[in-house]
Amino acid sequence: AQSVAQPEDQVNVAEGNPLTVKCTYSVSGNPYLFWYVQYPNRGLQFLLKYITGDNLVKGSYGFEAEFNKSQTSFHLKKPSALVSDSALYFCAVTSGGYQKVTFGIGTKLQVIP
Amino acid sequence: DARVTQTPRHKVTEMGQEVTMRCQPILGHNTVFWYRQTMMQGLELLAYFRNRAPLDDSGMPKDRFSAEMPDATLATLKIQPSEPRDSAVYFCASGFSFQGTFGTDTQYFGPGTRLTVL
Repeated sequence: AQSVAQPEDQVNVAEGNPLTVKCTYSVSGNPYLFWYVQYPNRGLQFLLKYITGDNLVKGSYGFEAEFNKSQTSFHLKKPSALVSDSALYFCAVTSGGYQKVTFGIGTKLQVIP
Repeated sequence: DARVTQTPRHKVTEMGQEVTMRCQPILGHNTVFWYRQTMMQGLELLAYFRNRAPLDDSGMPKDRFSAEMPDATLATLKIQPSEPRDSAVYFCASGFSFQGTFGTDTQYFGPGTRLTVL
């Protein structure tokens, strides 16, 4: 069975500082990994995904994520946090094909002015 | 700017009543997903469709929930009878899948229906 873990319920970071939101996964076969963001009272929005190729994936709003196969991780990063980045972030994994996508429980990011 | 639309946005009902939630996927998309989000359980997949055919509804309580796609522009999720434990935000998402790459496709989420069952 596939699973994804987001070990931190909440991450606090000062505006302008780099941010990292952690994600580890477990899947049979090759992983396909996603990050989505949810702003209050809104649906999830796609940020980026890793399918194959470069381990560093660049996405929307200046976010990027690094796929690390040996550590089974896919951490989300941004060099300089904005207050507007404050939201709930979801990591997700699938093994592809007709397998459904499994979402993590979410990490609340709070960027402090 | 194509978006997934969901109606109603908010629904308050009494236990035992039927609830119907509707979703209009993005035009041209051929996959539809229904999710339920609660504080305790997070995001749970209830059902998904490809080309209007249900592929998996194992996450859905069969005795009271049903999901259908009458046509390519409408997906419905019904709860009958509703119970207080069904209170949650229900999201619909759509995507486009080439055969064999289903799981890797980006999902586009609607704004959700906030359901409260008293």
